[in-house]
Amino acid sequence: QVQLVQSGAEVRKPGASVKVSCKASGFTFTSYAMHWVRQAPGQRLEWMAWINAGNGNTKYSPKFQGRVTITRDTSASTAYMELSGLRSEDTAVYYCARVAPRNYYMDVWGKGTTVTVSS
Amino acid sequence: EMVMTQSPATLSVSPGERATLSCRASQSVSSNLAWYQQKPGQAPRLLIFGASTRATGIPARFSGSGSGTEFTLTISSLQSEDFAVYYCQQYNNWPLTFGQGTKVEIK
Repeated sequence: QVQLVQSGAEVRKPGASVKVSCKASGFTFTSYAMHWVRQAPGQRLEWMAWINAGNGNTKYSPKFQGRVTITRDTSASTAYMELSGLRSEDTAVYYCARVAPRNYYMDVWGKGTTVTVSS
Repeated sequence: EMVMTQSPATLSVSPGERATLSCRASQSVSSNLAWYQQKPGQAPRLLIFGASTRATGIPARFSGSGSGTEFTLTISSLQSEDFAVYYCQQYNNWPLTFGQGTKVEIK
């Protein structure tokens, strides 16, 4: 079945970086795009970035531009999100989500990765 | 950036009753609007895309309507498993944006 399996919880100090992975199965990874979305405690969902898994094209939210990098490894059917310059406000659950074909909404979600930023 | 505003923030409904949730966009998003359901400790789940098309496996009691700037999600007869937070999301413009959510709670 279609699945997105994310890496485990991370704890980082302010100023550090974190890299979260999202392994796809049950579908042809390179035929889809992926979003990264985060949710701080008690807050709304917040879109961060998009990557076309086939050609590697990316798009970033202006809020995170310069701090976030998304990549993919087609041989491993895995997408990655790296966030640098971490601050306490980046404490959140980070989700990857598959993009519906020829569209931009999220039709399948990973279970999320909790990133905690604390000194 | 497109601002999505949902109302009410909290909706108290008895099982079996109808729930009507609203979502307003700061500019037209055409029909490029999705609704998601999120339960505590879980990832969101796609309910509706294209403003009114149910996603695969979503019960018929969920319906979406609207276009432009005003949208509605209706749950015709609330079941126990429907108590959750619901988010609207526009995908007409970058950056993609979500509403702040409506919590549907048991009355």
